[in-house]
Amino acid sequence: EAGVAQSPRYKIIEKRQSVAFWCNPISGHATLYWYQQILGQGPKLLIQFQNNGVVDDSQLPKDRFSAERLKGVDSTLKIQPAKLEDSAVYLCASSPQGEPSPLHFGNGTRLTVT
Amino acid sequence: QKEVEQDPGPLSVPEGAIVSLNCTYSNSAFQYFMWYRQYSRKGPELLMYTYSSGNKEDGRFTAQVDKSSKYISLFIRDSQPSDSATYLCAMINLVSGGYNKLIFGAGTRLAVHP
Repeated sequence: EAGVAQSPRYKIIEKRQSVAFWCNPISGHATLYWYQQILGQGPKLLIQFQNNGVVDDSQLPKDRFSAERLKGVDSTLKIQPAKLEDSAVYLCASSPQGEPSPLHFGNGTRLTVT
Repeated sequence: QKEVEQDPGPLSVPEGAIVSLNCTYSNSAFQYFMWYRQYSRKGPELLMYTYSSGNKEDGRFTAQVDKSSKYISLFIRDSQPSDSATYLCAMINLVSGGYNKLIFGAGTRLAVHP
């Protein structure tokens, strides 16, 4: 089984610029998540999709962050404009629908905002 | 107060030692408890997954949950250098969070030296 794919692996931008991350979940997984992991902290959920729809985006800074999941498969997360405090690893994860089940994480995109 | 507290370490032990990793939590509504392992520059991967109080064993790993004390532990027997990683505890509150909304601890960095 192919894992969760994310790109790019690394990105360096200046503050106020925009950036986008891409995620391809495990085939057949209905649920997709974006997490933010700041250095020295555990991952924090930004947004959760169930198929095409948003289940939870309560911790997404909506003034600058946006995410979409087209056709219930791939997803993109965008930051515009970026701030210094957005420097983090952005992890995508997927899981089957229904009962609590293990999340499968990608290796993340490491973002540095200078 | 954070919902999930975890000592960030680092914890350094000799090969073959028994390792004890712990998390405490404040919300008695947490029902599912997980341990993830995260190698440097990789995404977290699930190690153990428990629902109820008590012990669960898988090879050299034992997960322990004490809901009355709001305390969970992960024990690693006969630790190996390949166990060197960050260990993240994670919990699910089905009442408010829905399926699979994981709340992570900050992670404990473990180094096992030969």
